[in-house]
Amino acid sequence: DTGVSQNPRHKITKRGQNVTFRCDPISEHNRLYWYRQTLGQGPEFLTYFQNEAQLEKSRLLSDRFSAERPKGSFSTLEIQRTEQGDSAMYLCASSILRTGLNSYEQYFGPGTRLTVT
Amino acid sequence: GENVEQHPSTLSVQEGDSAVIKCTYSDSASNYFPWYKQELGKGPQLIIDIRSNVGEKKDQRIAVTLNKTAKHFSLHITETQPEDSAVYFCAASPLYTGGFKTIFGAGTRLFVKA
Repeated sequence: DTGVSQNPRHKITKRGQNVTFRCDPISEHNRLYWYRQTLGQGPEFLTYFQNEAQLEKSRLLSDRFSAERPKGSFSTLEIQRTEQGDSAMYLCASSILRTGLNSYEQYFGPGTRLTVT
Repeated sequence: GENVEQHPSTLSVQEGDSAVIKCTYSDSASNYFPWYKQELGKGPQLIIDIRSNVGEKKDQRIAVTLNKTAKHFSLHITETQPEDSAVYFCAASPLYTGGFKTIFGAGTRLFVKA
């Protein structure tokens, strides 16, 4: 399977704990996005990377959230001191930007469902 | 801030009938409008998209129309089948951002009754 993969698929944690999610994009894709999706809503943009550079962060991304893409391949999203309001589906997507080829199609992974108790 | 409104939130149709989902957007800079289908336990999957230099686009049973003046765009599914049952999201994005500034609607849950 050469699609976007995310791990873990489900995470249950207690309030105050730290959690980390991983996203592996499609191999040749140089752009990677993180979204949050709550029940009954569409995905909300959190942040995105072009290669290893984090180019944009949403105001939704509080100081407790941090994302990295150290080698321009996989990415991690860490939430520190989790709160019940952090409970959501965290989606990762990737796309390709290349000279002469500009695809805006974002390929989404299956998501990581976080439950904070 | 910018937003995308989507209607209806739930739509139930009989197999073989057509389904129409409508969206409006607020950001005048938006010029790329993708539609995604999300099935249970999966991430959204792009099913069709349209750019602002085109008023209509069709792909088999799926068509999208865009009225840039009114900031409206719609998804039309003809000859619906039970496997079309899913949540559909419209979205709007200014292309100059490279697509990262994508605003999604709240979704339409489509039920196709056999």
